Amino acid sequence: DTGVSQDPRHKITKRGQNVTFRCDPISEHNRLYWYRQTLGQGPEFLTYFQNEAQLEKSRLLSDRFSAERPKGSFSTLEIQRTEQGDSAMYLCASSFSGSVYEQFFGPGTRLTVL
Amino acid sequence: KQEVTQIPAALSVPEGENLVLNCSFTDSAIYNLQWFRQDPGKGLTSLLLIQSSQREQTSGRLNASLDKSSGRSTLYIAASQPGDSATYLCAVRPEGYGNKLVFGAGTILRVKS
Repeated sequence: DTGVSQDPRHKITKRGQNVTFRCDPISEHNRLYWYRQTLGQGPEFLTYFQNEAQLEKSRLLSDRFSAERPKGSFSTLEIQRTEQGDSAMYLCASSFSGSVYEQFFGPGTRLTVL
Repeated sequence: KQEVTQIPAALSVPEGENLVLNCSFTDSAIYNLQWFRQDPGKGLTSLLLIQSSQREQTSGRLNASLDKSSGRSTLYIAASQPGDSATYLCAVRPEGYGNKLVFGAGTILRVKS
C-alpha cells in the first residue's frame, strides 16, 4: 500500500493558463475527495467521487473547475483560465465505503498563479 | 452551517511538557471527528478518528476525547518532543452533508528542545 499520491507536487503557471492535477488513491478505496487549502486555513471541500460518479460539488467549484474519475481509479482536477486567487494547495484524499470513511490524504499539489 | 474552531491558534512549549489542543464545532450532528497532523508544505497525516458513539481514542502518546453534545474535542499530547512540532487540524464529518470533512484552521505547535 503506497498511500495516496498526487502529481505534480508543485505547479507554477501564468494567469489565464489551464492546469491539470492528478490523484491516485489507495488502491482498494472507492471514494475520492478533492480539497483546497490556502495559507493559514484548514482545507475546504471541493468535490467527491464514489467510483466514477461525482456525487457532490461545493459552491467553491466554479465553472472553471472540472474533475473527473473516468474508470473509478485515478482522478484529475482541471482549472481553466487560472486566476491569482486559485493559488493554493490542492489536496486529494480517499476512503473506503463500508467502514467509518476515514479519509487518507495525499501530499498535495502546490499551485502558484503568477 | 457547521463551523469548526481551534484554540489556541499557536502554542510554544518546552520539550517534555504535556499539552492539550482544543476543537469546538457548532452542530453536534456529526458522524465522526478526525485529528490530523500537517508538516509545513506537506499533506495531512491522520492521527485519530473518533466515531460519534465513542468518547475517546488513544494512539501512543496521543489521546483524543469527544463530547458530542457540547460540541467539543480535545487532543492530549503527553511528554511532547521536538518532532511533534507541526500544525494540528481537527475535522468533523457532518450528518446529512454527504462525505465531506469540515476543518478548523489548525493549531501551530512548536516544541522547543
